[in-house]
Amino acid sequence: GEDVEQSLFLSVREGDSSVINCTYTDSSSTYLYWYKQEPGAGLQLLTYIFSNMDMKQDQRLTVLLNKKDKHLSLRIADTQTGDSAIYFCAESRGSNFNKFYFGSGTKLNVKP
Amino acid sequence: DGGITQSPKYLFRKEGQNVTLSCEQNLNHDAMYWYRQDPGQGLRLIYYSQIVNDFQKGDIAEGYSVSREKKESFPLTVTSAQKNPTAFYLCASWGAVRSGANVLTFGAGSRLTVL
Repeated sequence: GEDVEQSLFLSVREGDSSVINCTYTDSSSTYLYWYKQEPGAGLQLLTYIFSNMDMKQDQRLTVLLNKKDKHLSLRIADTQTGDSAIYFCAESRGSNFNKFYFGSGTKLNVKP
Repeated sequence: DGGITQSPKYLFRKEGQNVTLSCEQNLNHDAMYWYRQDPGQGLRLIYYSQIVNDFQKGDIAEGYSVSREKKESFPLTVTSAQKNPTAFYLCASWGAVRSGANVLTFGAGSRLTVL
């Protein structure tokens, strides 16, 4: 199928780590992305990983990729109230990686 | 800094009217996209264009039209044939960014409400 799937909600306390999960479908080489959307705004690219990598770290963000299970996760360390937003996982496909498939988004609620 | 500009940010339309949403990019990207987002849902592809003077229908093209006369511009017209046009519309372009990777870059969105 074409579905990229995510859980809909996640609630954490400020200072804890958040882990947002995603499953994708393409077994060939692909780019995988995490975007953040705040209310009424566009999507902001947070990070991306190519499918030949297992992990990528960028400051508080860690992306883990399990190719066997087609599972992608985004870990946010020391989650802050400003991290409250909707997080979208996306997969690019096609010969030029220019066709994109998005999950439905995970709404992260950070409680003070 | 390069980016994508969408206008207007908010637009109200009466039933039966066509409206055009503007999307301009100065990233020198070849490919551009229009997505529709409904509350609590993900993004659905309306139209995309991989190069000037060429565009293809996405998953929900009915009731919409586009043009790509210039590399920088990819306007979307929501026609009166679109039965449920109230939504948040997002324009994006795909291409190299500062890091060298090819990524999808989004505008801030346009919210269309039909009265």
